[in-house]
Amino acid sequence: SQTIHQWPATLVQPVGSPLSLECTVEGTSNPNLYWYRQAAGRGLQLLFYSVGIGQISSEVPQNLSASRPQDRQFILSSKKLLLSDSGFYLCAWSHSGISYEQYFGPGTRLTVT
Amino acid sequence: AQSVAQPEDQVNVAEGNPLTVKCTYSVSGNPYLFWYVQYPNRGLQFLLKYITGDNLVKGSYGFEAEFNKSQTSFHLKKPSALVSDSALYFCAVRALFSGGYNKLIFGAGTRLAVHP
Repeated sequence: SQTIHQWPATLVQPVGSPLSLECTVEGTSNPNLYWYRQAAGRGLQLLFYSVGIGQISSEVPQNLSASRPQDRQFILSSKKLLLSDSGFYLCAWSHSGISYEQYFGPGTRLTVT
Repeated sequence: AQSVAQPEDQVNVAEGNPLTVKCTYSVSGNPYLFWYVQYPNRGLQFLLKYITGDNLVKGSYGFEAEFNKSQTSFHLKKPSALVSDSALYFCAVRALFSGGYNKLIFGAGTRLAVHP
């Protein structure tokens, strides 16, 4: 069966510091991968998606970037965090082309101080 | 534009009573619809989906959803609510990226509170 991991689970970082959040998927190959941000425990905002290694698309311009160095690894980064980057970050995966539902990781709670 | 709406911020129901969480959608073409549940400080869990076939879809934890094409709705239901069903529920609809790739558009979420 497939599993998705995210780390760290929680993170407190000062404004202006760098960020690296990691997501890995096990038990599948060539998944589509997604990064979402959830603010205030409500709606989800799609940040990035990837259909393959090195293929990243951004949904909204922002202070963040994403990379996919390996098939099942997806990294969210920032060079300098802003207060507005605080939130709950969720990674998700889906099968490529077979079904459409996405499966979510446990999330990372980021607080920028 | 493709969108999904959850008209209720919160739904309150007594334990043992039936529950309904509402969702309406707007898509071009055939709708692919989903429900997810989120417990506090956790990721979203997939409950069920409608792709084609029977309008009544059964999912995890005793939940089901009814697809109604004429009303463009996909309401989530459960015959008898449990206190443990209290959580945040999201409806989603498939949309297409440029290039033909899939993405999900999520509603704003409905908080379900089941009271003992």
